[in-house]
Amino acid sequence: RKEVEQDPGPFNVPEGATVAFNCTYSNSASQSFFWYRQDCRKEPKLLMSVYSSGNEDGRFTAQLNRASQYISLLIRDSKLSDSATYLCVVNTRGGDDKIIFGKGTRLHILP
Amino acid sequence: NAGVTQTPKFRVLKTGQSMTLLCAQDMNHEYMYWYRQDPGMGLRLIHYSVGEGTTAKGEVPDGYNVSRLKKQNFLLGLESAAPSQTSVYFCASRGGGVWEQFFGPGTRLTVL
Repeated sequence: RKEVEQDPGPFNVPEGATVAFNCTYSNSASQSFFWYRQDCRKEPKLLMSVYSSGNEDGRFTAQLNRASQYISLLIRDSKLSDSATYLCVVNTRGGDDKIIFGKGTRLHILP
Repeated sequence: NAGVTQTPKFRVLKTGQSMTLLCAQDMNHEYMYWYRQDPGMGLRLIHYSVGEGTTAKGEVPDGYNVSRLKKQNFLLGLESAAPSQTSVYFCASRGGGVWEQFFGPGTRLTVL
C-alpha cells in the first residue's frame, strides 16, 4: 500500500455543485494532515490544515478519520476558480520526520 | 517580504552540462527542501536540510548535490545533466515546529 493515495481524477463538476474527495494514508503514526492546492504550472499552496475534530473554512470542509486512515475535502457551491489539483499531505513525526505528498486529485469546474 | 524565490525560472541544458539552481527564503526558516515534479509522479523529495550547514537525502537524490552554507539559501546542483532530469523543480521551506511548507515558483528544466 502506498503511503499516501489519492484518486487522480479528473473530477468534472458543474459550477455550484458539491464535490468531495478522499486521501488514504498507510502509517497509523501519522500526526498532521493538510490539503494543498496547486494551480496549473504554479507552486503548491496550503489550502487548509485537517484537525481531528474537523474544520471548516468558508465553502471548504476538511475531516480526518483516524480509524479508517483517511482525510477528506468537501467543496460546496463550487466556483470556476476552484479548478485546480488538490494535494493531500501527511506528516509523520519520529526519528525521521517525514512529509509525504499525495499525487493529487484534479478538479475541473464546468460552467 | 519575497517569501521563497528560485532562480532561474527556466533553463535548457544539453546532456552532460552542469548547473546550479538557487533557492532563497527570507522567513528565517530552519528547514528547506528540493522537490521535483513530473507528470503522474507527484512531488518527489530530492534533498532537504534541517538547518544551516546540514543536508540529507530524500527519495530521489541520485544525480543531484546540495549545499546550505547560509540559512537563507539552499542550492541544488546537477553535475552532469541527463534527459531523465527534465522536470519542474520546486524549493520549499518551513519553520521549526510548524509543518506548513512555503514553496517557490519553480524552475522548469529541460535537458536535451
